[in-house]
Amino acid sequence: NAGVTQTPKFQVLKTGQSMTLQCAQDMNHEYMSWYRQDPGMGLRLIHYSVGAGITDQGEVPNGYNVSRSTTEDFPLRLLSAAPSQTSVYFCASSYSFRGLYEQYFGPGTRLTVT
Amino acid sequence: AQSVAQPEDQVNVAEGNPLTVKCTYSVSGNPYLFWYVQYPNRGLQFLLKYITGDNLVKGSYGFEAEFNKSQTSFHLKKPSALVSDSALYFCAVRPPASGTYKYIFGTGTRLKVLA
Repeated sequence: NAGVTQTPKFQVLKTGQSMTLQCAQDMNHEYMSWYRQDPGMGLRLIHYSVGAGITDQGEVPNGYNVSRSTTEDFPLRLLSAAPSQTSVYFCASSYSFRGLYEQYFGPGTRLTVT
Repeated sequence: AQSVAQPEDQVNVAEGNPLTVKCTYSVSGNPYLFWYVQYPNRGLQFLLKYITGDNLVKGSYGFEAEFNKSQTSFHLKKPSALVSDSALYFCAVRPPASGTYKYIFGTGTRLKVLA
């Protein structure tokens, strides 16, 4: 199993540009989520999905869109990049069965917006 | 508001000594509790979890954690620290409410094990 994969690893954007961060998992997990990690703030939930076709907002959803057309993929779209979106982005997935809630994380995407 | 607190930004411990990384939470009901570790430039890795049952749970790499309901704490422990344990540790909580999939993470504690 490849686990959770994320592309790209690094990205530099100019203010106002848009892009999509890719996330895929091959473990047939129902639950997928996107977090951003900023110094001193831990991980903050952006959006999450409990299955194909079902998404919901997390703590910091503004400026981001998601969709989940398949169980495997959960892309994160930045609509119009802003310097405040400079961060490290992690995708994670897990089962939703009782007791199997631990999340598996991808390696992250380091995004810089200038 | 529901929250997770890791009161120490950094913990320093000598190699071979026991280590404790603290975590307290403010969540109603009986939450599910997790510890994750992050090595430099890597994603988070699952260490251990408490769902129900025995208050002392054992996880990867010799780590264990004790759930204390009265103190709403879930401290991470290891009897003998290794230099290779140096990393960033996160405590996380999943509230138990039906349909809630929002995990709450602490701000992280950097563990430095000195040779």
